[in-house]
Amino acid sequence: GAGVSQTPSNKVTEKGKYVELRCDPISGHTALYWYRQSLGQGPEFLIYFQGTGAADDSGLPNDRFFAVRPEGSVSTLKIQRTERGDSAVYLCASSQQGGGANVLTFGAGSRLTVL
Amino acid sequence: AQSVTQLDSQVPVFEEAPVELRCNYSSSVSVYLFWYVQYPNQGLQLLLKYLSGSTLVESINGFEAEFNKSQTSFHLRKPSVHISDTAEYFCAVTGIQGAQKLVFGQGTRLTINP
Repeated sequence: GAGVSQTPSNKVTEKGKYVELRCDPISGHTALYWYRQSLGQGPEFLIYFQGTGAADDSGLPNDRFFAVRPEGSVSTLKIQRTERGDSAVYLCASSQQGGGANVLTFGAGSRLTVL
Repeated sequence: AQSVTQLDSQVPVFEEAPVELRCNYSSSVSVYLFWYVQYPNQGLQLLLKYLSGSTLVESINGFEAEFNKSQTSFHLRKPSVHISDTAEYFCAVTGIQGAQKLVFGQGTRLTINP
């Protein structure tokens, strides 16, 4: 596609529920990143995929968070037993390759609200 | 590991005035540096980047930033701002070795007053 697409754009859920957020990167981009942006903060790194594998998942806050990219394109971020503190905008980005010199193209984000 | 400090959370300026948004970074290895911008109701987009070569880099809309290795800074400047520059600006850093993650600062909200 022309840009990075994220769905849903808004998700409201209740504490304790399970949530899935989807990211469709730019076609041909091998690297995919998930970030979380809380109100008034900068984006915080969660996980980075190179192809199908998670090259760096050091930013996942705990084992309630999990992400997959089974075919090396679309990725899903999964959050189990949601908590109010999970409320944030979840950003997905992709780049042609991994590595610091490659510019990240960001999606518009998925705003998650946990009541 | 890298970290970024943006010293000002908000910067209000008058239209056509100059502005500087400050960014300092910390890293034990050589780095690449970026400024991203988030306009109201839009996603993050790249404004400019420093990879190598000239330490002064420019954007297409008149912003510039200078990499200062001795002061570990990458401040963003514009000599004359416009209302349309109202946005949140994020400084970011990554190490040059391997596939390292991009680390962002807290952001600076630039508000232009007429």
